[in-house]
Amino acid sequence: DAGVTQSPTHLIKTRGQHVTLRCSPISGHKSVSWYQQVLGQGPQFIFQYYEKEERGRGNFPDRFSARQFPNYSSELNVNALLLGDSALYLCASSGRERLTDTQYFGPGTRLTVL
Amino acid sequence: AQSVTQLDSHVSVSEGTPVLLRCNYSSSYSPSLFWYVQHPNKGLQLLLKYTSAATLVKGINGFEAEFKKSETSFHLTKPSAHMSDAAEYFCVVSDAGGYNKLIFGAGTRLAVHP
Repeated sequence: DAGVTQSPTHLIKTRGQHVTLRCSPISGHKSVSWYQQVLGQGPQFIFQYYEKEERGRGNFPDRFSARQFPNYSSELNVNALLLGDSALYLCASSGRERLTDTQYFGPGTRLTVL
Repeated sequence: AQSVTQLDSHVSVSEGTPVLLRCNYSSSYSPSLFWYVQHPNKGLQLLLKYTSAATLVKGINGFEAEFKKSETSFHLTKPSAHMSDAAEYFCVVSDAGGYNKLIFGAGTRLAVHP
């Protein structure tokens, strides 16, 4: 089975712009979670979607939004980018059987905001 | 609320010597605990997980961890370090509050010297 895939690999944006990051889960997984990893820190939870519904939201501003599609892939959108949004954005999939199944991570999208 | 504390930000060992990465957790539930590894410019790979079965958990690449409820610890060990073990290691607890949010420690950077 292919693992979690994310696109693009790298992205450079300027302050105030909008960005969309994409994630395809492992086949059969129904849940996608998004995490932000700032350099030198552990990942921080942003969102979880399960069966196309938002199941959890971390402590991030409303500039961050996400959605899950019928094929269980997901998009993370960030509006009005700030320098502090520069980070590695990780997607994880889980939930072949249960919401609480083990999460498997993709390689991430490196976002740089100038 | 759940949390994890990784007691060492950096650990340095010689190749062939034992590895010990320390983690304490705080949880009001019976926790699910994980260790993930992150190699440079890569995503997160699951090393092992504890979900209230055996307290000694064996993972990939010779790593294992022991869940000690009395000490609220979940330390990661390996009998003999290999150069390829050099990476960032994260101790993680799963928030059991209705969805599958992972809470990461700050990470321990393991250096392995010849």
